[in-house]
Amino acid sequence: DADVTQTPRNRITKTGKRIMLECSQTKGHDRMYWYRQDPGLGLRLIYYSFDVKDINKGEISDGYSVSRQAQAKFSLSLESAIPNQTALYFCATSGGGEQPQHFGDGTRLSIL
Amino acid sequence: SQQGEEDPQALSIQEGENATMNCSYKTSINNLQWYRQNSGRGLVHLILIRSNEREKHSGRLRVTLDTSKKSSSLLITASRAADTASYFCATNGNNRLAFGKGNQVVVIP
Repeated sequence: DADVTQTPRNRITKTGKRIMLECSQTKGHDRMYWYRQDPGLGLRLIYYSFDVKDINKGEISDGYSVSRQAQAKFSLSLESAIPNQTALYFCATSGGGEQPQHFGDGTRLSIL
Repeated sequence: SQQGEEDPQALSIQEGENATMNCSYKTSINNLQWYRQNSGRGLVHLILIRSNEREKHSGRLRVTLDTSKKSSSLLITASRAADTASYFCATNGNNRLAFGKGNQVVVIP
């Protein structure tokens, strides 16, 4: 079983819809992250959380919100999706310090 | 914010050849990490080099770091078809990673 699981893996939806992407992990890590990946732009950080009571904005948080329901769960919401939010979204976890980040396999989101 | 920038963007080599990728960044860092991404998959951590280290090896990987030039390189020796992937550098300066745009490497069997 994957250590970091993202659901759904693919989603097509319409402009204006509310979307929730979910991430769960079995690694026991405190730190969790949401990134989006666009062709030619690399990964950009949307939100991150260092523990259940800690939520921080990343470089591109506008139009997104998150919820850290438990140590193992971190969800990303698009309150009113727009076409330029079409991208590949990744969740990652880490144990902090110099420990590397562990990524899920991503959610491919298309907004029409 | 810190931003890794890899160069070149795309590389196509024959199996057995070496592949070298470079990364530059703009601010001070605690460490620099390299990740690999296979098509349709998440990123996988390859190697970390601390700001006080100049070179590090892991299997067929060799990474260098020059903090005076704010640059790093990743060398993959004796490449294999399975090394075909995108490679990203990421700088860590404030408990957050800033990723570069990535290098696509194609290894031709």
